[in-house]
Amino acid sequence: GEDVEQSLFLSVREGDSSVINCTYTDSSSTYLYWYKQEPGAGLQLLTYIFSNMDMKQDQRLTVLLNKKDKHLSLRIADTQTGDSAIYFCAEIPDTGRRALTFGSGTRLQVQP
Amino acid sequence: ETGVTQSPTHLIKTRGQQVTLRCSSQSGHNTVSWYQQALGQGPQFIFQYYREEENGRGNFPPRFSGLQFPNYSSELNVNALELDDSALYLCASSLVAGADQETQYFGPGTRLLVL
Repeated sequence: GEDVEQSLFLSVREGDSSVINCTYTDSSSTYLYWYKQEPGAGLQLLTYIFSNMDMKQDQRLTVLLNKKDKHLSLRIADTQTGDSAIYFCAEIPDTGRRALTFGSGTRLQVQP
Repeated sequence: ETGVTQSPTHLIKTRGQQVTLRCSSQSGHNTVSWYQQALGQGPQFIFQYYREEENGRGNFPPRFSGLQFPNYSSELNVNALELDDSALYLCASSLVAGADQETQYFGPGTRLLVL
C-alpha cells in the first residue's frame, strides 16, 4: 500500500539544526520529495532525492535516504525563524500513476 | 519563467452548487495534477492531465471532473458541492519525462468554503 508517515510537530531554537523524519512503505518509489508550506500558501519544492542516492546536500538542507528501512530525513542547518512552516515528505510510487503521495506534514516551530 | 498560477484565490459556495477552478501551468510544462488539501492534512491526489487526456485518478467521485486545454492550462470542476469539499485545492505542473522533469511544482491554491 501507499502510506507516508511523519511526526506532527518539532520545536527548535534559532541557530540549532532541525531534523524532520519520514517513513514510507512503497519500496518501488523512485523519487522522494520534501515540500514546505507556509500558512495560507501553496507548496514550495525544497529538494528531492532519487532512490539510488543515499544523501543529497543543497546549501542548508541535507536529505538522507535509508532505502532498507524506508526512512527519509531532512536536516536544516542553522535553522531560522523564517523556516517555521509545515514540511511534507512525498513519494511517487511506481504504480504507473505519476501522483504524489504525501505525509500528514511536520509543523516546525523555530523559537528565537 | 512563469510559475504555476491559480484562480480564484478564495471562493465561497453553498451545498449543491457547482464550482470551476482554474490553473495555468509553468512555462514549458505539459502535465497538470490536482490535489485536495483538507485542513490539517496532507494533499490528496484528485487526478492528472497529460496532453489533454486524464492520466490517472485518485479516490474521488465522478462529480470531480477536469479538463486540460491545448495551452496546457487546466480546470477542475466539482458538481453538487458537499460541506466536506471545503479545502485548499492545489494545482501542480510538471513535464512527464526524466527524473528532474517529473518534479511537480505547485501553485498557491484556491481555498474553497462550502456552506
